[in-house]
Amino acid sequence: DIQMTQSPSSLSASVGDRVTITCQASEDIRKYLNWYQQKPGKAPKLLINGASNLETGVPSRFSGSGSGTDFTFTISSLQPEDIATYYCQQYDNLPYTFGQGTKLEIK
Amino acid sequence: QVTLKESGPVLVKPTETLTLTCTVSGFSLSNSRMGVSWIRQPPGKALEWLAHIFSNGEKSYSTSLKSRLTISKDTSKSQVVLTMTNMDPVDTATFYCARIRERESALDYWGQGTLVTVSS
Repeated sequence: DIQMTQSPSSLSASVGDRVTITCQASEDIRKYLNWYQQKPGKAPKLLINGASNLETGVPSRFSGSGSGTDFTFTISSLQPEDIATYYCQQYDNLPYTFGQGTKLEIK
Repeated sequence: QVTLKESGPVLVKPTETLTLTCTVSGFSLSNSRMGVSWIRQPPGKALEWLAHIFSNGEKSYSTSLKSRLTISKDTSKSQVVLTMTNMDPVDTATFYCARIRERESALDYWGQGTLVTVSS
C-alpha cells in the first residue's frame, strides 16, 4: 500500500498567516491526490482534487500543488473558520490511503 | 440534493459481525461515474479507508482488513452494505460512507457518520 505522510502533525498559527502543510507519498502518485478538511464532530469535506483543482464553492485562499511524491496544501490568509484537521488522500493505486492528518489551531 | 446516511448498531460485542447500511439519495448507484466508499475514524485518530464499490460493481478493500470486510450494493434500494466480522474493541470508531466521484476518486459527499462501540 502507498503510505502518505503529512507534516506537521499539528500547527498553531495566527489569523492572517500563510499556512502550509506537506504530504509525501511513499511512491510516485503523479497528481492523484485529494485534500479534505474536517471540523470537530463533522464529516470531512473535499477541498481539492487532482492535487491542485479547487472544488466548487471552496474559498480561493485554499490551494494545492505538487506531483510525484511531494505535495503542498496552502491557506494564503488563515481565517478563524479554517480551524480543522486536514487530510491528504492518494488515489493513484488501490487501496486508497489517507495521511495521518494535520491539526490546525489558532495561536 | 445528494445525501448519504449510515445506519446500524451503536454497540456490538467482541467477536460479533457488524453490518452497516448506507442509504443514498440524489444519485443512482448505477450511475457510471459514481461509487460509494466506507471510511472509519477511531476517536481522536485519523481517517482510514475501508472499502469501495464502483459503479460497475467492482470492489476494493483495505489490505489490512480485507479478510474481515464485505461490501455490496442493492441498486433498487439505493443502499450499500458493509459487513465487518470478528469485531474487537480496537474497531470502535465512527464509520462514514461517502460518494466517490470516480474520475478523480474524490469523496465529494459524506454521510454524517455513525459511532460504533465494541464492548462486552
